[in-house]
Amino acid sequence: DSGVTQTPKHLITATGQRVTLRCSPRSGDLSVYWYQQSLDQGLQFLIQYYNGEERAKGNILERFSAQQFPDLHSELNLSSLELGDSALYFCASSKGLAGVGTGELFFGEGSRLTVL
Amino acid sequence: AQTVTQSQPEMSVQEAETVTLSCTYDTSESDYYLFWYKQPPSRQMILVIRQEAYKQQNATENRFSVNFQKAAKSFSLKISDSQLGDAAMYFCAYKTQGLSANSGYALNFGKGTSLLVTP
Repeated sequence: DSGVTQTPKHLITATGQRVTLRCSPRSGDLSVYWYQQSLDQGLQFLIQYYNGEERAKGNILERFSAQQFPDLHSELNLSSLELGDSALYFCASSKGLAGVGTGELFFGEGSRLTVL
Repeated sequence: AQTVTQSQPEMSVQEAETVTLSCTYDTSESDYYLFWYKQPPSRQMILVIRQEAYKQQNATENRFSVNFQKAAKSFSLKISDSQLGDAAMYFCAYKTQGLSANSGYALNFGKGTSLLVTP
């Protein structure tokens, strides 16, 4: 158990809909990361938050948004869903920012999103 | 952007044998971290081993070791005495450096190598 909690584990929805994925980081970790894992694309970095502020951005679509709340949990919002958004969405956490520690990420078990 | 390449989509090894998974990366940085993560059928991403670029000594964790060739930008994973529980997807990852002490960072992952362990 990594200590990172993600909900829901599975989600099935229709095209055009909006969903919210939730993540609670490990105790003491201030950084939260979101990754998307599609069948053919491996793990794609979406976005990083540190202590409530966005700090790094990857290939995140404009239809997607995220935030980190004062209690450090994070939510990833996916809107106007398309079939191609079907994927496993991982949340990960770490203690700090660039150059702090080894940079190891601790991953949750992922949220499996299926768009029909 | 730093890219990570895993050229072996699938590998197979017999139980108790040794297998090496390949990874190359592209970077202009001199200091960085490299990682191997394992993803078993449970989908959980589990850290296997890490390597700091400034350390010449190759990292070792029990049956897992790396061959880090900085000049060649190569970072292979060797699994000795393979066990059935080693069957998983293995991802190589590079830690990008932020532009400043206050900027963020992320791990860039390769596309993975699926390892099959046969009895």
